[in-house]
Amino acid sequence: GAVVSQHPSRVICKSGTSVKIECRSLDFQATTMFWYRQFPKQSLMLMATSNEGSKATYEQGVEKDKFLINHASLTLSTLTVTSAHPEDSSFYICSARKRGKETQYFGPGTRLLVL
Amino acid sequence: KNEVEQSPQNLTAQEGEFITINCSYSVGISALHWLQQHPGGGIVSLFMLSSGKKKHGRLIATINIQEKHSSLHITASHPRDSAVYICAVPRGGGGADGLTFGKGTHLIIQP
Repeated sequence: GAVVSQHPSRVICKSGTSVKIECRSLDFQATTMFWYRQFPKQSLMLMATSNEGSKATYEQGVEKDKFLINHASLTLSTLTVTSAHPEDSSFYICSARKRGKETQYFGPGTRLLVL
Repeated sequence: KNEVEQSPQNLTAQEGEFITINCSYSVGISALHWLQQHPGGGIVSLFMLSSGKKKHGRLIATINIQEKHSSLHITASHPRDSAVYICAVPRGGGGADGLTFGKGTHLIIQP
């Protein structure tokens, strides 16, 4: 149990387009989902925390108007990279947490390449 | 905000060797996570521990809350253990927080 999926696994897009990444908890209800990104040869960094039914909390330096997060249900959170630029190319990974539990279950990640 | 230091950054060992990876953090925490990341990027959660020691197969994780230090050990290492091992803690210390990650230890086990 506790499987998290992400879609797509890989995406290549042109500069200026928007890309939506989905994170789903397949067999549990995720009251909290986290979005992380990892640039090449760097650590994973928290971008935002998403609680079901409320606005996401963004980390310092992450533009909320550029990285739109929606957590409309207990099994789905989406991250939309708006007007993507080459510097947004990165590995985006989500994790999900059950209510009252600390364990985070990670999705397989989405590799974004903006040309 | 929690700071995480991991060592070593890179480790190459021969098959069968006992491996130790260390992690230190700066702020008291509810629990510490050990994660494994494979070349494709996918992350597997190995352990979450808040005290003492946990064992899963050939992997052992220990934590000393007072010293803010944890170690991950691999016994009888095998080439399939080759991966990046990452230590992570709640960024504010609490269980509801997102994680702050160490830079990872790139482990290569040679046959």
